[in-house]
Amino acid sequence: AQRVTQPEKLLSVFKGAPVELKCNYSYSGSPELFWYVQYSRQRLQLLLRHISRESIKGFTADLNKGETSFHLKKPFAQEEDSAMYYCALRRGSQGNLIFGKGTKLSVKP
Amino acid sequence: GAGVSQSPRYKVTKRGQDVALRCDPISGHVSLYWYRQALGQGPEFLTYFNYEAQQDKSGLPNDRFSAERPEGSISTLTIQRTEQRDSAMYRCASSSRVGAGGYEQYFGPGTRLTVT
Repeated sequence: AQRVTQPEKLLSVFKGAPVELKCNYSYSGSPELFWYVQYSRQRLQLLLRHISRESIKGFTADLNKGETSFHLKKPFAQEEDSAMYYCALRRGSQGNLIFGKGTKLSVKP
Repeated sequence: GAGVSQSPRYKVTKRGQDVALRCDPISGHVSLYWYRQALGQGPEFLTYFNYEAQQDKSGLPNDRFSAERPEGSISTLTIQRTEQRDSAMYRCASSSRVGAGGYEQYFGPGTRLTVT
């Protein structure tokens, strides 16, 4: 079964601390993984995708096929990073996304 | 340019009534997706279109749910004989590419449906 698991519902860190939001997936094919973010009162938006191997707003994520993980990391959290983060898996050539339940990141001053 | 828009933004309806939720994608976007998000959950796929063709409706929970996109642009998600369990945020997204890797789905603001 295709599944995305985000084990933490809430992650609270202090400003300047490192942050890691965990994401594990279950998929039989070659996965495409994404991180989406929803800031307060805003719509869901793409943060980054694994095939681009990019760093957005200081966040990076590496696809680890051996551990079936795609954890999101940032070395120094900022207050403006507080938001809801969703890991998502693109299902083959179909296009639709399978989302995890999300992790709420709270960065305290 | 304008992003994905959805209307209404909020809808309160009584159990048993029909509702129609509208999605206006980014101009020229080929693919359009519908998701449903219950409180405390991630978005869950319902159905999607490439142009006017419904490619996959496997996520629609039952036959009270239907969707159309007759001219390959605006889409309507209809829920007949609403039930309280249909209460959720309904999200629409569009994408400029079909079946291509690494593309981005642009989401609308969502419609919050409450069935009383």
